[in-house]
Amino acid sequence: EVQLLESGGGLIQTGGSLRLSCAASGFPFTSYAINWLRQAPGQGLAWVSTITHTGVTFYADSVKGRFSVSRDTSKNTVYLEMTNLRAEDTALYFCARGTRACSTCFEYWGEGTLVSVSS
Amino acid sequence: ILTQPHSVSESPGKTVTVSCTGSGGRIGSSYVQWYQQRPGRVPFTLIYEDTHRPSGVPDRFSGSIDSSSNSASLTISGVKTEDEADYYCQSYDGSRVVFGGGTKLTVL
Repeated sequence: EVQLLESGGGLIQTGGSLRLSCAASGFPFTSYAINWLRQAPGQGLAWVSTITHTGVTFYADSVKGRFSVSRDTSKNTVYLEMTNLRAEDTALYFCARGTRACSTCFEYWGEGTLVSVSS
Repeated sequence: ILTQPHSVSESPGKTVTVSCTGSGGRIGSSYVQWYQQRPGRVPFTLIYEDTHRPSGVPDRFSGSIDSSSNSASLTISGVKTEDEADYYCQSYDGSRVVFGGGTKLTVL
C-alpha cells in the first residue's frame, strides 16, 4: 500500500525557517517523483516543488530561491527546506507521488502538515 | 491557465460534467488530472493521465480531452450525495504545474 506521511509543520515567525519531511513507503522510492503542494486556508491547490525520480528539482516562482527540495534514498524520505518564510506561505502542505510516466501527475497524496507563518 | 466553472449542481442519479478550459497553450500537450476534495478532507485523485482511474475509483467517474475546444472534462454519472465536493483539474504548461480554480459540485 502506498503511503506518504508528512511531518515538520508548525507555527513560525516571518523570516524564519522550517523543514518538512515526507516519508514514503509501499513503492520503489527511486522510481517515482515526489511533489510538494500547498493549500492556503479557504483557497485552491497550488504546486510548490518537484523532485523527479532521478533527483532533478523544480520550483514554483513564488518559492524559488527560498525553498529547497531534497531526498534521502536510504530513508525513503523527501524534505522541503523552507527559509525566509512569509505570511503568504501559511498553508497545509501535502506531498504527492507522481505516476510512473509523469512526474507531475499526482496519484497518491499524504494527509498534509500545517505551516502557519505569523509576525 | 486552466479555467473551471465556479460551481455546478445536479440531482442524484443524473450525469454532470465539469469542464476545464486551457488558455495560453494546448491542453492536450500535457496530461490532465482531476482531484476531488470533500470538505475538510485531503485531495483524492479521480483521474490521472487524462483518462486513467486509480484502483478503487468507481467507473462513474471518467475523464476526456477535446482538443478542438482546448478543454478537458470530468464526467460523473449516477451522481450521489457523497459526490458533493470541490473538483480540481491540473496539468503542466511546460515550465510549471497549473491547477484550475476548482468547481464546487452541489448535489440537490
